[in-house]
Amino acid sequence: QSLLTQPPSVSGTPGQRVTISCSGFSSNIGSPSANWYQHLPGTTPKLLIYNNNQRPSGVPDRFSGSKSGTSASLAISGLQSEDEAEYFCAAWDDSLQGVFGGGTKLIVL
Amino acid sequence: QLQLQESGPGLVQPSETLSLTCTVSGGSVRSASSYWAWIRQPPGKGLEWMGSIYHGGSTDYNPSLKSRLTIVADTSKNQFSLRLTYATATDTAIYYCARVSCGGYCFSDSWGLGTLVTVSS
Repeated sequence: QSLLTQPPSVSGTPGQRVTISCSGFSSNIGSPSANWYQHLPGTTPKLLIYNNNQRPSGVPDRFSGSKSGTSASLAISGLQSEDEAEYFCAAWDDSLQGVFGGGTKLIVL
Repeated sequence: QLQLQESGPGLVQPSETLSLTCTVSGGSVRSASSYWAWIRQPPGKGLEWMGSIYHGGSTDYNPSLKSRLTIVADTSKNQFSLRLTYATATDTAIYYCARVSCGGYCFSDSWGLGTLVTVSS
């Protein structure tokens, strides 16, 4: 059982904005910063957001992150077909132990 | 650019030891600003942090695996490895190695492709 909780799936149409939630901060693992990854089968997980809302260079600004209280969120605006993938949240707690969400499959209709 | 690659047997007999190696290129396992982690994903389930090895060789393990897991680094080969004893079917998973960077906040910015290990007779 994952210590961070994500919805199993979300869906949206091209051009739409979708959000993916990740809950369990504070209650389960304290309040470390949230990171988000995009994972396509057969590829390495790609870091989209680190430190709650920071984007690595090369990640489009369509991807944004936020964290408030016990939850973090990933928002994807201007949805594109190539965004269809699995997304997961992750954090490293005060003991530097990793915790992960169960993953959310984004379906672009 | 940092790259990590997992290697090892894809099939392990029950009760035997599961051993995997992660080869690091484009960076050093001796880096004081990074530490190195093993993470796995059983079929149909979420990711699980297994353990990490830090600069200087100290380690930290998931309490659920601590009695069976050992992580070591070979700085001469720029690799780090895991050994999981007494493997069972529940250890069947995709195993990933990753680098974790910390500096006020932590994140993993590089992962391997992952390798599937099946525990079965």
